[in-house]
Amino acid sequence: DAKTTQPPSMDCAEGRAANLPCNHSTISGNEYVYWYRQIHSQGPQYIIHGLKNNETNEMASLIITEDRKSSTLILPHATLRDTAVYYCIVRVVLVETSGSRLTFGEGTQLTVNP
Amino acid sequence: GAVVSQHPSRVICKSGTSVKIECRSLDFQATTMFWYRQFPKKSLMLMATSNEGSKATYEQGVEKDKFLINHASLTLSTLTVTSAHPEDSSFYICSASVHLLNSPLHFGNGTRLTVT
Repeated sequence: DAKTTQPPSMDCAEGRAANLPCNHSTISGNEYVYWYRQIHSQGPQYIIHGLKNNETNEMASLIITEDRKSSTLILPHATLRDTAVYYCIVRVVLVETSGSRLTFGEGTQLTVNP
Repeated sequence: GAVVSQHPSRVICKSGTSVKIECRSLDFQATTMFWYRQFPKKSLMLMATSNEGSKATYEQGVEKDKFLINHASLTLSTLTVTSAHPEDSSFYICSASVHLLNSPLHFGNGTRLTVT
């Protein structure tokens, strides 16, 4: 699995954009970048994923560099409820089945402050 | 969106007993489900991959005889912790995805197991 590197913690003011970086310099051409978050004592929540183009949905935007060696998750207007651990994951595709596992790193603890 | 339901959310058991945790995909069929374990202040660790109708694939270091996985249907996988010990106390989480490559994995809300 391509490993990812994230800062262990970040702070953000409520209402401001939260930009969470991730390095994945060993990513392969057919590996997607996924972002999940985990609020304390809950299961991880899917946020967004992408291959090489920037992606946006109702939760966040994902910016992937042209060389695909890093990406940034953007929460445009952070709220207190966005306080969570954010995981950047490069997904290994198991071609013999439809499922492909996720290998979690340590993630970034994002704290949104009032 | 795809919903994964896990039951129970919390369980307390005595040492030596067995505990079964259920993971259901509510609105889709899941050929493959994954079981994770998470210790306090740590990240999720993959335990095993559960394939419908066949034996589970366990990660290195995970005892298959202790953590029994059954995936009897396309919507249900179960994890049984056998002869539980206090060190098995942890947060167990399952996940599943729709039968499409690169469709996101969706996670249950986890089961907090406490072995006394």
